[in-house]
Amino acid sequence: EDQVTQSPEALRLQEGESSSLNCSYTVSGLRGLFWYRQDPGKGPEFLFTLYSAGEEKEKERLKATLTKKESFLHITAPKPEDSATYLCAVQDRDDKIIFGKGTRLHILP
Amino acid sequence: EAQVTQNPRYLITVTGKKLTVTCSQNMNHEYMSWYRQDPGLGLRQIYYSMNVEVTDKGDVPEGYKVSRKEKRNFPLILESPSPNQTSLYFCASSLIWQKNQPQHFGDGTRLSIL
Repeated sequence: EDQVTQSPEALRLQEGESSSLNCSYTVSGLRGLFWYRQDPGKGPEFLFTLYSAGEEKEKERLKATLTKKESFLHITAPKPEDSATYLCAVQDRDDKIIFGKGTRLHILP
Repeated sequence: EAQVTQNPRYLITVTGKKLTVTCSQNMNHEYMSWYRQDPGLGLRQIYYSMNVEVTDKGDVPEGYKVSRKEKRNFPLILESPSPNQTSLYFCASSLIWQKNQPQHFGDGTRLSIL
């Protein structure tokens, strides 16, 4: 059965303190792995799609990487406005999408 | 502005009173989907639609109905709502379901069934 596990559940960082969020997955034929950001009271907002192991994508202070078993979302020198819940989702060979439960990130000024 | 619009944003109602949550997208997307989000369970797919007149069950379809008569609209219908359907609901759309297209989400509808 396809499964997506995100860790940690919650993370508090000081402004400027870099860290990584983890998304480990078990899926039958990965077609894509997605990262989304969700702010309170809002729907998830798309950040990245990764397709194959070794792929990396960057956007401002965020960098997503992918291996055969997991993906990392690296946050470099975060700012308070980076506080949000970060969601990981995988798409399997049948085009089914499975979401992880998310990591709540809080950046302290 | 490209967007997915859900209405209402908030609704408190009673058990058994039929309700419809509307979803409309202005991006000419083929694929549309409904999710519910519950604490500790994450986002779970209820129903999805690959195109007009094509719908299929997701992971938690019980108690819900959908229809896709037009490309832009994908309403979620609760024929006889029950308290366990109290949740935060999201509609999403993407250009083409295959080829790893990301989904665009609405801002959610918070339903409380008393």
